[in-house]
Amino acid sequence: QKEVEQDPGPLSVPEGAIVSLNCTYSNSAFQYFMWYRQYSRKGPELLMYTYSSGNKEDGRFTAQVDKSSKYISLFIRDSQPSDSATYLCAMKTNFGNEKLTFGTGTRLTIIP
Amino acid sequence: DTGVSQDPRHKITKRGQNVTFRCDPISEHNRLYWYRQTLGQGPEFLTYFQNEAQLEKSRLLSDRFSAERPKGSFSTLEIQRTEQGDSAMYLCASSPMGLTGELFFGEGSRLTVL
Repeated sequence: QKEVEQDPGPLSVPEGAIVSLNCTYSNSAFQYFMWYRQYSRKGPELLMYTYSSGNKEDGRFTAQVDKSSKYISLFIRDSQPSDSATYLCAMKTNFGNEKLTFGTGTRLTIIP
Repeated sequence: DTGVSQDPRHKITKRGQNVTFRCDPISEHNRLYWYRQTLGQGPEFLTYFQNEAQLEKSRLLSDRFSAERPKGSFSTLEIQRTEQGDSAMYLCASSPMGLTGELFFGEGSRLTVL
């Protein structure tokens, strides 16, 4: 079993819809949770960063972490065609252990 | 600041040959990372430098793989006696001290082993 599980999709939604992406994990030592966006043939770029449990909002993006359920989510409101990309969740344990563990990524397409 | 730069962007080689990739991080970033990504998978951690010191290595980094960051600036990743299973995207990332988990990735070096 992988430490981080993520549905690879693909996921297609119409423009303007709310998108929900999620990951589950098994390592209870994970404390830092990230979402990266990766466009085709590009490197990942950091989208959202959360420490421990709770919600974080940045514009159209909301990240949620539920450590009790070992479940994290990313919501995208008013989705745009430019949001079409692969979304990768990533996690790490304590400060000082710099290894990130990534999910497989979910490929998202926003249909105009 | 032009971001993290990787060279070459694409390398095609024959099985058994050696290849070397170079990464130039963002200039003020102390930390430098190498990850490997295969098709349909997320990046997998290979190794991590803080300045010139290699602080962590994955068991994925077999004896055929070696990474260096001699002066704490650019880094090289060498793969000796390449195998077809080494075909992947090799991603370099950097981050400044004081941040954790916030990596700035380059566009990657794609390796194809024939």
